[in-house]
Amino acid sequence: EVQLVESGGGLVQPGRSLRLSCTASGFTFGDYYAMNWVRQAPGKGLEWVGFSRSKVYGGTTEYAASVKGRFTISRDDSKSIAYLQMNSLKTEDTAVYYCTRARDYYDSSGYYLDGFDIWGQGTMVTVSS
Amino acid sequence: DIQMTQSPSSLSASVGDRVTITCRASQSISNYLNWYQQKPGKAPELLIYAASSLQSGVPSRFSGSGSVTDFTLTVSNLQPEDFATYYCQQTYSSRPITFGQGTRVEIK
Repeated sequence: EVQLVESGGGLVQPGRSLRLSCTASGFTFGDYYAMNWVRQAPGKGLEWVGFSRSKVYGGTTEYAASVKGRFTISRDDSKSIAYLQMNSLKTEDTAVYYCTRARDYYDSSGYYLDGFDIWGQGTMVTVSS
Repeated sequence: DIQMTQSPSSLSASVGDRVTITCRASQSISNYLNWYQQKPGKAPELLIYAASSLQSGVPSRFSGSGSVTDFTLTVSNLQPEDFATYYCQQTYSSRPITFGQGTRVEIK
């Protein structure tokens, strides 16, 4: 079964750090899949956090402006795990965090992602004093 | 950033109805438009990718259309399990990837 399982969420004080993990199974993690993180604050919509390109495209990363410089996405393709390192956490980072995969590719026009076809169950991060 | 605007924000419908949700991009995104369904307490699920391609396992009553800036998700013959929130998403630009604000489909 193809699945993603997040872990590492919890309650953390403002200014502190937390690392989330996303463990993949049932598919070849590294070669063709960009790994994304998407969050959802309580009662709000979906917000893309960032992603790591697939191994084929160097595993480089992109981030939303709201987290750039504070969050870091990495991946260990040998273990099929993606990570979200969150530093300098703010109360507004409180959300359910999902990891999700998407095929990525280049064509003549540039770099693109397909739809996010597999999602984890989500892990709650609460930033509060 | 590419802004995605969905309408309506919410709607009420009955089982058996045909429902249409629209999504407009602030600039051309070709057909790099995806639709998701999310039920309370659950992760989103991909329904439609590349504007009009039905994701494997998704019922054929779901369909998508459009290109460039204007897109539509249609649910024909609405079923009880279709009452949920729907999001559009553009993956034309990954700097950043953006979602619409969501459309909540409620039971009339």
